[in-house]
Amino acid sequence: GAVVSQHPSRVICKSGTSVKIECRSLDFQATTMFWYRQFPKQSLMLMATSNEGSKATYEQGVEKDKFLINHASLTLSTLTVTSAHPEDSSFYICSARTGGDSQPQHFGDGTRLSIL
Amino acid sequence: GQNIDQPTEMTATEGAIVQINCTYQTSGFNGLFWYQQHAGEAPTFLSYNVLDGLEEKGRFSSFLSRSKGYSYLLLKELQMKDSASYLCAVIEAGTALIFGKGTTLSVSS
Repeated sequence: GAVVSQHPSRVICKSGTSVKIECRSLDFQATTMFWYRQFPKQSLMLMATSNEGSKATYEQGVEKDKFLINHASLTLSTLTVTSAHPEDSSFYICSARTGGDSQPQHFGDGTRLSIL
Repeated sequence: GQNIDQPTEMTATEGAIVQINCTYQTSGFNGLFWYQQHAGEAPTFLSYNVLDGLEEKGRFSSFLSRSKGYSYLLLKELQMKDSASYLCAVIEAGTALIFGKGTTLSVSS
């Protein structure tokens, strides 16, 4: 149980392109979903937290107009990187949780984004 | 804010026991998680501690001391496949997990 699917797994595109990443909880309803970014050999950095049906809460330094998050249902959240540039190249990972703080966050397999 | 410290790298041999320490400072502690992450993959959940003491789960055990802001992950009977990064993560009430920088464990034969 507790499977999170993230798609696509890898994206290579030109600078200026917008990229959408989907995160789905397959066998549970995710009351909260999280988006992280991870640069090589560094830890996961939380970008934003989203609850179904409400606006995402962004961490300090994360541009909400550049990283658009939609959490339309209890099983789906999307992250759109708008007008991506090479410095946005990173490993983006979503996680989902059902219930409160004592419940583990279950992670998707991540999306490796490369902007040329 | 939160501050989470763990060693950057550790090495061990197959069959051995290794202990990965994690210290944290947080204003509203509500639990500590350990995750395993293989290179290029997403983290997988290992353990959760919110009360003081030891939680055992097969070859892996996790310990927590809230008064000391300290936890460790104990891996027994090490196998080559245990080579990975081990992430200590702390949660405050109503927030997301905040991760430490991770400890890269290399297991050799």
